[in-house]
Amino acid sequence: DIQMTQSPSSVSASVGDRVTITCRASQGISSWLAWYQQKPGKAPKPLIYGASNLQSGVPPRFSGSGSGTEFTLTISSLQPEDFATYYCQQANSFPLTFGGGTKVEIK
Amino acid sequence: QVQLVESGGGVVQPGRSRRLSCAASGFTFTTYAMHWVRQAPGKGLEWVAVISDVGGDKQYAASVKGRFTVSRDNSKNTLYLQMNSLRVEDTAVYYCATEGYWGQGTLVTVSS
Repeated sequence: DIQMTQSPSSVSASVGDRVTITCRASQGISSWLAWYQQKPGKAPKPLIYGASNLQSGVPPRFSGSGSGTEFTLTISSLQPEDFATYYCQQANSFPLTFGGGTKVEIK
Repeated sequence: QVQLVESGGGVVQPGRSRRLSCAASGFTFTTYAMHWVRQAPGKGLEWVAVISDVGGDKQYAASVKGRFTVSRDNSKNTLYLQMNSLRVEDTAVYYCATEGYWGQGTLVTVSS
């Protein structure tokens, strides 16, 4: 199975800050990576697919990059509604696997 | 608009069975693979199973293989997850999902 490792596990940031989350795969997955945002008590919301493609309706302050084994999710200017937990997920091979999550908290 | 609505959750005793359903609307159900993903209370996301668009290909997580069965009825735009021999560690919110869309989830609690 492909292991997905996210870092950091949590980050404290202020509105307007730039936030970067890293996701590493235990083996190469090309660009088969997705990012999700989850708020407490809610279903995950897809943000990015194919490592860098924004889902419809996702604000452009979100961006994804990377390929192979290292990927990043960047929020260019953190907004109040962005405080949430973020997960990466590889879609290269089954079983699909998720990272452990990164909680973005208010500083 | 796309809607995925799960149902069938509840409290079930260890060793018993439960079937979850996911009613899909707003897209051409028959052309999309469908997934089940679960989340134990306070934990991260765990992929459970996938079924291909016409149902001929299925894959499972090792933790549920041999106990859970994913199926679909394309005439009813509905996805299913038959869960047998349930264990306490299967307690989770179960989500159905497809490309870009997730349902709201249904909670399954396995407890005596």
